Amino acid sequence: GENVEQHPSTLSVQEGDSAVIKCTYSDSASNYFPWYKQELGKGPQLIIDIRSNVGEKKDQRIAVTLNKTAKHFSLHITETQPEDSAVYFCAASRSGNTPLVFGKGTRLSVIA
Amino acid sequence: DSGVTQTPKHLITATGQRVTLRCSPRSGDLSVYWYQQSLDQGLQFLIQYYNGEERAKGNILERFSAQQFPDLHSELNLSSLELGDSALYFCASSWDADNEQFFGPGTRLTVL
Repeated sequence: GENVEQHPSTLSVQEGDSAVIKCTYSDSASNYFPWYKQELGKGPQLIIDIRSNVGEKKDQRIAVTLNKTAKHFSLHITETQPEDSAVYFCAASRSGNTPLVFGKGTRLSVIA
Repeated sequence: DSGVTQTPKHLITATGQRVTLRCSPRSGDLSVYWYQQSLDQGLQFLIQYYNGEERAKGNILERFSAQQFPDLHSELNLSSLELGDSALYFCASSWDADNEQFFGPGTRLTVL
C-alpha cells in the first residue's frame, strides 16, 4: 500500500522567512495530494491540494509543487507569520474510493 | 468551521467499556471517513462510508464498528476498550470519494 514520508518533523523559522516541507510517496498510482494544517485542539484544516495533472499550485502565500517522476511534493509558505505556527500534514491518495494516507506531520514554529 | 460536527468533544471511560462517537457530515456530503490520531501513529484511516454503504476499510480493529444512517450521519462504536485506544478520533466528509475531505473538530477519548 501507499507510504508517505514527511520531512522535517520540526521546523523553526523567523517571521517573514519562508518555510518548506517535503513529502515523498511510494504508490505511483496516487494522484491527489492535499496539505492540512492542524492547530492545537482542532481538527486538520485543508489548506491546499494538487492533482497529478498539475505541477504547481499557488494560493496567496502558500504553494505546492509536485514531481511525479520523483514521487515527491512540497509545501512552500512565504512571508511566514506567527499564526502560521501549527502542525502540517501531507497526504496522498488515488482517485476513487481510496482514503488518504498521511505523513507523520511537521511542527512549524514561526518566531516573531 | 468545516461544517462537520462531532460529539462528544471529550470522553473519559474505563477499560472494558463501550462508547459511541457521532459525526454529522457537511450538508450535501455523501462520504464519511473515520480517522484515529495518536502521538506515535499519526493520522490513521479506519473506515469509510458512502451514502450508507461501507466503501473502504483501513486499520480498524474488530472491536470497532461503524455505520452511516439514512440521514448520512455516522457513528463509530468502540467496544472492550483498552488503554491503547486513547486517542483523538476524527470524522471527515466529502461530496464524493474523489473530492476534498473536510475534518470535524474530533473526539478526544481517554481510557483509564
